[in-house]
Amino acid sequence: DTAVSQTPKYLVTQMGNDKSIKCEQNLGHDTMYWYKQDSKKFLKIMFSYNNKELIINETVPNRFSPKSPDKAHLNLHINSLELGDSAVYFCASSLLRDTGELFFGEGSRLTVL
Amino acid sequence: QQQVKQSPQSLIVQKGGISIINCAYENTAFDYFPWYQQFPGKGPALLIAIRPDVSEKKEGRFTISFNKSAKQFSLHIMDSQPGDSATYFCAASITGTYKYIFGTGTRLKVLA
Repeated sequence: DTAVSQTPKYLVTQMGNDKSIKCEQNLGHDTMYWYKQDSKKFLKIMFSYNNKELIINETVPNRFSPKSPDKAHLNLHINSLELGDSAVYFCASSLLRDTGELFFGEGSRLTVL
Repeated sequence: QQQVKQSPQSLIVQKGGISIINCAYENTAFDYFPWYQQFPGKGPALLIAIRPDVSEKKEGRFTISFNKSAKQFSLHIMDSQPGDSATYFCAASITGTYKYIFGTGTRLKVLA
């Protein structure tokens, strides 16, 4: 059983399109995250949700909208895609009261043409 | 204050050698210092972590050295193997919060 699973693994799309990435965790964690990893491998946090409530929004453009229907799911919708959005997006989860170890999914590689 | 500075950016080591990656932080509120290992096409995964109440932690060939006064910590990989070739990220966080700051990563290549 995959602990943190995200779909799709690959996305190729044209500029201006809208796309979504889905994430699910079966670890019983209370906090979920979206991280962006650019071509230089920098890992940057975008959003964090704790018990379905947004707790981090790191100056991400409004075109990015996360949605957490329940504690186990955190989806990312991106409107009007731009070339600079091309990156690998990682979903992660953790248990805040614990060490805070992050469990990452395998990533979703988004390519905007 | 929120940065974690990591060096070197890339590292090439011969099989059997020692790989050393260094990180420095500013925020003294950080109390958890993990290292993550990322293989191509995969997400980062926790390798080893330390808290500031100890100066060293060893797990197999991997050791974290922690210098609280200098606000620095480092990862040592003994007897480096080609299978250790990956990108390594240090990080710092505050237990019980969502504040998790990553270093910029080190691409390690171990030559056979």
